[in-house]
Amino acid sequence: EDKVVQSPLSLVVHEGDTVTLNCSYEVTNFRSLLWYKQEKKAPTFLFMLTSSGIEKKSGRLSSILDKKELFSILNITATQTGDSAIYLCAAPRGGGADGLTFGKGTHLIIQP
Amino acid sequence: DGGITQSPKYLFRKEGQNVTLSCEQNLNHDAMYWYRQDPGQGLRLIYYSQIVNDFQKGDIAEGYSVSREKKESFPLTVTSAQKNPTAFYLCASSPGLLEQYFGPGTRLTVT
Repeated sequence: EDKVVQSPLSLVVHEGDTVTLNCSYEVTNFRSLLWYKQEKKAPTFLFMLTSSGIEKKSGRLSSILDKKELFSILNITATQTGDSAIYLCAAPRGGGADGLTFGKGTHLIIQP
Repeated sequence: DGGITQSPKYLFRKEGQNVTLSCEQNLNHDAMYWYRQDPGQGLRLIYYSQIVNDFQKGDIAEGYSVSREKKESFPLTVTSAQKNPTAFYLCASSPGLLEQYFGPGTRLTVT
C-alpha cells in the first residue's frame, strides 16, 4: 500500500521566519511527487518533482526531491501571513493516473 | 473561462437520504477524481475515472457511487450506506500523468 507521511502536522512561526516542511513516501512505481497549498477550499498546485536533487523554485518557495532517501522538502523563506495554509504532499498511486495518495498535510500558521 | 465547478458549495441532508454532488470540467481532461477530506486528514480517494463510461474504486468507495456518461461530468452519489458522510468533498481532473486540478469543493453535513 502506498504511503505518504508529512511532518510536522502543525507549525506556528513568526512572519519573516524560514520554514521547512517534510514529506516521506513509500510508493510503488514511483514517478513523481506533488506539493499543493490549501487555503480553506481547493488545493492549488505548487510543484511536481520527478528528478532527484533538482530544486524547483517559485518566488520564496522551493522544493527538492531525494529519490534515494524517499523524501522531499518544501522550503518557504521570509514567510508572510498569506503563507498560512495547509501544505499537502502527494504521489500518484501506483505511479500512474489512478489518483493521488496524500499525506495528512502540514498546517502552517504565520503570526504577524 | 476554463476550470472545474462543483455544486452546491454547502449541502445539508438528513440521515438516510441519498445525495448527489455535481462536478463539471471544461478543461477537456480525460481523467476525473473524487476525494474526501476530514479535519486533520489529507485527501482520500473515493472513485476515479480515466475515460468516459469507465470508473474505478479508490481507497474508500464503500457507500458511494459514481457515473461518467460525459467527459465533462463526474457526479458523486453519497448513499445512505455511507456511515460517516459528513465531510468536505473535492473533485479533480487531470490531463494524464500530470498534476491534478481541483474544484472548490462541497461541504456536506448529514444530521
